[in-house]
Amino acid sequence: QMKLQESGPGLVKPSDTLSLMCNVSGDSVNNNNYFWGWVRQPPGRGLEWIANIFYSGTTYYSPSLKSRVAISVDMSKNQFSLKLSSVTAADTAVYYCARIGTGTCRGDCRPLWGQGTLVTVSS
Amino acid sequence: DVQLTQSPSSLSASVGARLRITCRASQSIGNYLHWYQQKPGKAPKLLIYFASTLETGVPSRFSGSGSGTDFTLAVNGLQPEDFGTYYCQQSFSTLGTFGQGTKVEI
Repeated sequence: QMKLQESGPGLVKPSDTLSLMCNVSGDSVNNNNYFWGWVRQPPGRGLEWIANIFYSGTTYYSPSLKSRVAISVDMSKNQFSLKLSSVTAADTAVYYCARIGTGTCRGDCRPLWGQGTLVTVSS
Repeated sequence: DVQLTQSPSSLSASVGARLRITCRASQSIGNYLHWYQQKPGKAPKLLIYFASTLETGVPSRFSGSGSGTDFTLAVNGLQPEDFGTYYCQQSFSTLGTFGQGTKVEI
């Protein structure tokens, strides 16, 4: 059964770059049934979709974050990653990685999430 | 972008009550609509996927319906453990979006 697990520093300084990894186990990030994405939730607030990537490398970004964010896939490590540059306190949030079935998905197409990792932006 | 509007934004209900939460999409999204329950300090838990399929292990008192632009999450016979915030999420467009959430107090 596929599982997703986020990893990365829990504390990032203002103006630095936030870097997170999502390790995929139980299947391959090269599986064309799925998009891979990142979602965040600031403390006490709702959920915000940040970015998606397809196994081919095609990326989709939130318009509000597009200038600061990059998502990529490392097939050799079966991981995908998120980089968010020039962070401020407003980027403090729990960050989740997620698997989403594409429109042509076959088999297990339900959404799947990691447990999330809290990233605090503070000096 | 597909916008999702949930209603109500919060509610208080009694044990045993029937609960209905609606989610309206700004355009037709077929059945690419999923429902989650989130409790404080925890990751969202998938309840219903593709509008009406019950996730394994989720009690049968939860059900989902709808297609196109209008969707409903229903809970028949509310239990004390059903408190939390409920979110709808669409996966029709290339970037997912969420409803603003419905906070349920028992």
